[in-house]
Amino acid sequence: GAGVSQSPRYKVAKRGQDVALRCDPISGHVSLFWYQQALGQGPEFLTYFQNEAQLDKSGLPSDRFFAERPEGSVSTLKIQRTQQEDSAVYLCASSLAEGGTQYFGPGTRLTVL
Amino acid sequence: KQEVTQIPAALSVPEGENLVLNCSFTDSAIYNLQWFRQDPGKGLTSLLLIQSSQREQTSGRLNASLDKSSGRSTLYIAASQPGDSATYLCAVRGNQGGKLIFGQGTELSVKP
Repeated sequence: GAGVSQSPRYKVAKRGQDVALRCDPISGHVSLFWYQQALGQGPEFLTYFQNEAQLDKSGLPSDRFFAERPEGSVSTLKIQRTQQEDSAVYLCASSLAEGGTQYFGPGTRLTVL
Repeated sequence: KQEVTQIPAALSVPEGENLVLNCSFTDSAIYNLQWFRQDPGKGLTSLLLIQSSQREQTSGRLNASLDKSSGRSTLYIAASQPGDSATYLCAVRGNQGGKLIFGQGTELSVKP
C-alpha cells in the first residue's frame, strides 16, 4: 500500500483480556516504531525494530507488553492482561532508514473497560 | 533525559493571521527535529524535518527554524486558514537510535 496501515482501528477489551495490534509498514522500510498516545498528550516511544531485530524496547511500560516483527515487515504489538491504564491510541511508524522521516499510520484506539 | 515542551498548549486566531508555535528541548545533542500535524482521530503527518546542521526549512506557507544551542525551534505559519486547524507536534531525535521524543502539542484553531 501507499502508506502505513494499522488494524484494527478500534478495539474494546475487557480488563484482563489479551489484545494484538497489527502494523503494516510502507514496503521496503527498514525501521519500524511503536508509540503510545494518551488523550491530550504527545506520543511516547514504546519500541523500535530494524528489520526483524528489536533494537530498543526501553519504552515498553511493563512485561505485559510484547512486540515482534518476525520477517522484517509486518509487526504485532501484544498486550497481555489489559488494564484500564492501557487505554490509549497506539501508533506505528516506519522509515526507510534509521534517521529518516518517520511516516505514521492512523493508529489503533484501544479502550479497556 | 530529553524533555520537549511546546507553548502555547492551545491557540485560537482569526483567519489570515500569521502565527508562531514554539518548541523547546532540554538536551541540545539532537540528530534532527521534526514538526507534525495531527487531525482529530488521525495519525501524524510530517510537515518539516530539520537536520541538526540546518537552521531552517520551508514548505509553502510553513517555515521551521532550529536553534540547537539554545534548544529551541519555531514553526511559523503564514496567512493562516481554517484548514490549518489541527494539533501541531514537534519531536526530536537523539544521536543514538531512531526514537522520537515528542512535545505535548499545540492545538490550533483558525476561525473563519
